[in-house]
Amino acid sequence: GQSLEQPSEVTAVEGAIVQINCTYQTSGFYGLSWYQQHDGGAPTFLSYNALDGLEETGRFSSFLSRSDSYGYLLLQELQMKDSASYFCALLYGQNFVFGPGTRLSVLP
Amino acid sequence: DTEVTQTPKHLVMGMTNKKSLKCEQHMGHRAMYWYKQKAKKPPELMFVYSYEKLSINESVPSRFSPECPNSSLLNLHLHALQPEDSALYLCASSQDSPGGETQYFGPGTRLLVL
Repeated sequence: GQSLEQPSEVTAVEGAIVQINCTYQTSGFYGLSWYQQHDGGAPTFLSYNALDGLEETGRFSSFLSRSDSYGYLLLQELQMKDSASYFCALLYGQNFVFGPGTRLSVLP
Repeated sequence: DTEVTQTPKHLVMGMTNKKSLKCEQHMGHRAMYWYKQKAKKPPELMFVYSYEKLSINESVPSRFSPECPNSSLLNLHLHALQPEDSALYLCASSQDSPGGETQYFGPGTRLLVL
């Protein structure tokens, strides 16, 4: 089956840059997505990598390396509102398999 | 309109009750999903409907029964649930590919089974 790993918690200060890693032990997937979920809220889509390389969307960037079975989400110019859980998810056709999630705490 | 709506927002039910969760989207998406999410855990896929047909059932117990009356609506019928079924139930939708990599989630129904 699919297996994804993420750090459980990351802490950073406002204005900093943080990288959240996602490693996996599978193949045959279409791409890697990232979702943000605030406490009590629903997941919201952030980014998707179908191909290896970097995708940039404003302050957020996502990277995928299929040869290294690895991806990451890069958050720049951190703001307090970025405190949330971040999930990577592999896409297999219409089946999304989510990683365990990383709890990001942004400190003033 | 990029909104997925879910009702009710909260639901408390006994183990002998029958209830239904409802989900609606008007984005023209042809894939709709039910997820279950426990506290501090990732969403777990339960069912996928594609063009109003059930395409994925992730070995979900029969006490959960999905229904897709039309391309905009998705229901989850609940019967004889157990306390361990208490969770946040999320509905999501996406385009048929290309674009299917973006899922739009509803706010969820927080279910408590007593």
